[in-house]
Amino acid sequence: GNSVTQMEGPVTLSEEAFLTINCTYTATGYPSLFWYVQYPGEGLQLLLKATKADDKGSNKGFEATYRKETTSFHLEKGSVQVSDSAVYFCALPIQGAQKLVFGQGTRLTINP
Amino acid sequence: KAGVTQTPRYLIKTRGQQVTLSCSPISGHRSVSWYQQTPGQGLQFLFEYFSETQRNKGNFPGRFSGRQFSNSRSEMNVSTLELGDSALYLCASSLGGPAFNSPLHFGNGTRLTVT
Repeated sequence: GNSVTQMEGPVTLSEEAFLTINCTYTATGYPSLFWYVQYPGEGLQLLLKATKADDKGSNKGFEATYRKETTSFHLEKGSVQVSDSAVYFCALPIQGAQKLVFGQGTRLTINP
Repeated sequence: KAGVTQTPRYLIKTRGQQVTLSCSPISGHRSVSWYQQTPGQGLQFLFEYFSETQRNKGNFPGRFSGRQFSNSRSEMNVSTLELGDSALYLCASSLGGPAFNSPLHFGNGTRLTVT
């Protein structure tokens, strides 16, 4: 079945550093792929998505490209800020069902 | 537009008790899903309702149940609570059309502690 393997954290970076959080998936067909972010004390928010191969999702300076050759959807940001400190989840839907499978989450801490 | 509202935010219960959590989706959203989040297991899908019918169910025991009302509001119930049920329970709503093409919008969750 569909599954997601996500780089585990925690990840600690300095402000303005480059960020990469790895995500690889196993899926039937080519499902949409998502990155969600969870700030402290809150639920998850959709950060970005890509609906087909080679699509690039982007939002708030974050980007991720849907690569079917490597079955990956790595999250990147060129210059992180303290406010980016959160837990990031890669996710994909179960085919034919209205539900998501999530990676284990990566806790990101940005130090000033 | 108001977001997904979950009540209560925090609950403390004793083993063996039961609990009911409530979720009000975004106006116009007909699909409501529930997820359990724990440090050990991460985010796990519980069930999903659409137009008052359970469409999908995760691998949880029968102690976990839910329902959806005609106004799309949803409740989930956990009976005979166990220590391992301590978790953050997240509700998410979406338009829920036939294809998975509308993102989930999550509430801030209900933090359940079982003692």
